[in-house]
Amino acid sequence: EAGVTQFPSHSVIEKGQTVTLRCDPISGHDNLYWYRRVMGKEIKFLLHFVKESKQDESGMPNNRFLAERTGGTYSTLKVQPAELEDSGVYFCASSQGNTGELFFGEGSRLTVL
Amino acid sequence: GENVEQHPSTLSVQEGDSAVIKCTYSDSASNYFPWYKQELGKRPQLIIDIRSNVGEKKDQRIAVTLNKTAKHFSLHITETQPEDSAVYFCAASKGTYKYIFGTGTRLKVLA
Repeated sequence: EAGVTQFPSHSVIEKGQTVTLRCDPISGHDNLYWYRRVMGKEIKFLLHFVKESKQDESGMPNNRFLAERTGGTYSTLKVQPAELEDSGVYFCASSQGNTGELFFGEGSRLTVL
Repeated sequence: GENVEQHPSTLSVQEGDSAVIKCTYSDSASNYFPWYKQELGKRPQLIIDIRSNVGEKKDQRIAVTLNKTAKHFSLHITETQPEDSAVYFCAASKGTYKYIFGTGTRLKVLA
């Protein structure tokens, strides 16, 4: 069974540009999460989808970040316009129901120059 | 706000020795404590977890202990092997998937 897949694995953009990260959760997982790790710091929660609905977006840094999950399958996280402090590794994770293991993707490394 | 402190940030041990990573959480309502291992370039993977109604859990060479009173939990790896080299993250949760992670510990097992 395929795990959580993320694309791109690495993106390098200039300040002010736009980047869209994509996450494909494990098939059948209604719960999808975005987390972010800034260099050397903790992995921080950004938001949680249940199917296509945002359950909790309390971790989103500001309105330059927009997450969507149309149709309740894959999700996108758009950063527009990107700032230097947005650099980091963006992890997507999914789970089946409210209990059980949280499965992570390999992350999308974003570098903003 | 809620936070989890994790120590040490780096840890080097000789192969065969034990390694201990410690975490302290701030929210006394936390009741689930998973540990994730991230090998270089790979995804974080759950290696062991513990719930607040249990004081200790063991799975082969790894074990986790929880002290609710002190709000401490620790990961213990015995008989370390080179393949144990990775970054380890502790986390605390109040039963949801809004995990509060520690800053990670880079473990190096020296052959």
